[in-house]
Amino acid sequence: KAGVTQTPRYLIKTRGQQVTLSCSPISGHRSVSWYQQTPGQGLQFLFEYFSETQRNKGNFPGRFSGRQFSNSRSEMNVSTLELGDSALYLCASGTGGFTGETQYFGPGTRLLVL
Amino acid sequence: DQQVKQNSPSLSVQEGRISILNCDYTNSMFDYFLWYKKYPAEGPTFLISISSIKDKNEDGRFTVFLNKSAKHLSLHIVPSQPGDSAVYFCAAGSGNQFYFGTGTSLTVIP
Repeated sequence: KAGVTQTPRYLIKTRGQQVTLSCSPISGHRSVSWYQQTPGQGLQFLFEYFSETQRNKGNFPGRFSGRQFSNSRSEMNVSTLELGDSALYLCASGTGGFTGETQYFGPGTRLLVL
Repeated sequence: DQQVKQNSPSLSVQEGRISILNCDYTNSMFDYFLWYKKYPAEGPTFLISISSIKDKNEDGRFTVFLNKSAKHLSLHIVPSQPGDSAVYFCAAGSGNQFYFGTGTSLTVIP
């Protein structure tokens, strides 16, 4: 099976712009979670989508939003970019089951905000 | 506020010796715990997990220990190999929401 893919791999934006990141899960996986990784904070949970519905949400401002399509592909959008949004954004896919679920991560999209 | 903490940002160990990576969590409702390994330029990969009904899980050279009363888990790697050099993240949670620590960078010295 193909792994989780994320596009683009690298992005450079300026403050105030918006950005959309894409994640294609492993075939058959219906759950997609998004994480932000920074050196100081580690991996922080953004949100999780399952069957086109946001099922869980982390503690991020409303500038961070996402959606999931019927083919389970997911997009994450960040509006009004700030310098502190520079990070590695990882998505992870899973079958969506509870307890014992393991996630398979993509390689990430590295976003630099200037 | 960090719900999962890895207080050691880095660890160096000689090849063949034991590596012990530690992780603390704050939420007693967490019932599932995982360790991930991350190489540069790659996403984290799942390494080993443990549920709250167990206190130990072993998979080859990797063993995870869970102390629920102390809200502490640890990963033991025996014997350590140079290829184990990577950043290790612990994660804790329930359902499909997991919180990750900030990672420990392990260097295994040949």
